Amino acid sequence: GENVEQHPSTLSVQEGDSAVIKCTYSDSASNYFPWYKQELGKRPQLIIDIRSNVGEKKDQRIAVTLNKTAKHFSLHITETQPEDSAVYFCAATNNNDMRFGAGTRLTVKP
Amino acid sequence: GAVVSQHPSWVICKSGTSVKIECRSLDFQATTMFWYRQFPKQSLMLMATSNEGSKATYEQGVEKDKFLINHASLTLSTLTVTSAHPEDSSFYICSAVRRADQPQHFGDGTRLSIL
Repeated sequence: GENVEQHPSTLSVQEGDSAVIKCTYSDSASNYFPWYKQELGKRPQLIIDIRSNVGEKKDQRIAVTLNKTAKHFSLHITETQPEDSAVYFCAATNNNDMRFGAGTRLTVKP
Repeated sequence: GAVVSQHPSWVICKSGTSVKIECRSLDFQATTMFWYRQFPKQSLMLMATSNEGSKATYEQGVEKDKFLINHASLTLSTLTVTSAHPEDSSFYICSAVRRADQPQHFGDGTRLSIL
């Protein structure tokens, strides 16, 4: 089955700096890679996703890159703001089931 | 949008009680619903995958008789924690998808505390 590893587990940045979170996956058949943001005690919310036929996708301050050969994908947040502080989860799926990374706790210091 | 409603949001009950949690997709038909368990400061652990009209597929290590899942319609799945004990205390979250290749939409979660 799919195995997703996520790094780092915690990340602290100064407001305005960039944050990068990296994930690797094991199943070469995985074709869909969403990223979720979860604030304390709340539901995970989809913030961006990418499919295997695309190498990069951007939505305002958030971007995701995918390297299928290396089986890794990354989340990039630019110009971070305090409200970006949350736990971020990457995930990978081959349409059968979705596996989540362990999560990254991002803290943006004002 | 794609709204998933989960109820109740918080349950406190005595050991030995059975607790039912409902997960509803409000504005779309969900071919598949998922049930997760989340421990404090940890990731989402998939418990089972539920398809409408068929038996749920449980992950290894998840007791089928302990965590009963029913997916009676394309908009409703239920998780019943039978004879709950303190070690079952956790945050349970459901999610639903229209199709397998589309994003999962999560409910608000249920915080279960067994005394």
